[in-house]
Amino acid sequence: QKEVEQNSGPLSVPEGAIASLNCTYSDRVSQSFFWYRQYSGKSPELIMSIYSNGDKEDGRFTAQLNKASQYVSLLIRDSQPSDSATYLCAVTAPPSVTGGGNKLTFGTGTQLKVEL
Amino acid sequence: GAVVSQHPSRVICKSGTSVKIECRSLDFQATTMFWYRQFPKQSLMLMATSNEGSKATYEQGVEKDKFLINHASLTLSTLTVTSAHPEDSSFYICSASSPIRSSYEQYFGPGTRLTVT
Repeated sequence: QKEVEQNSGPLSVPEGAIASLNCTYSDRVSQSFFWYRQYSGKSPELIMSIYSNGDKEDGRFTAQLNKASQYVSLLIRDSQPSDSATYLCAVTAPPSVTGGGNKLTFGTGTQLKVEL
Repeated sequence: GAVVSQHPSRVICKSGTSVKIECRSLDFQATTMFWYRQFPKQSLMLMATSNEGSKATYEQGVEKDKFLINHASLTLSTLTVTSAHPEDSSFYICSASSPIRSSYEQYFGPGTRLTVT
């Protein structure tokens, strides 16, 4: 069983629409959750971090976390063509569980295409 | 803030040679640095975790004698790929974190694309 699962996509949305990206994780002791954006040929860029249940908003981005369901999502409002990228969900467990170092476990990513 | 640089951005080397990649945190002190490898159309795979002044912790299946990691200061970590072979061709990315700056967030360098001929 994969530790962090994402639908690989591609997810296609029209410009101006809301894009909804989903992620599930298997380790119940996971504490920190991140969304990274990766353009083709580039390294990941941190978009959002979320640590507690509920919603966290930053500009056009909203991260949602439900620890009971082991589910984290990212909503992108007013999607723009420049949002077209692969979105990586990443999860950490407490250092005492992983053996130290705040290791990130990545999902395989969801490719988002925002169409004109 | 939270800028991480890598050098070189791209390198081509011949099979059997060694290549050193540098990772620097430019505006914060990184207590922990991570090295990842990414093959085309695949996700990032963690290779090793390094803490300043101590030996790196390698992930299962990663040869520590082939991928030498040094984290000599709070702003610099290096990855040396020794005796490189074509199958080592990949996108190598480092990241850095500091609990003082923000709990558990990792900031990535721009990556180094290694091609072994």
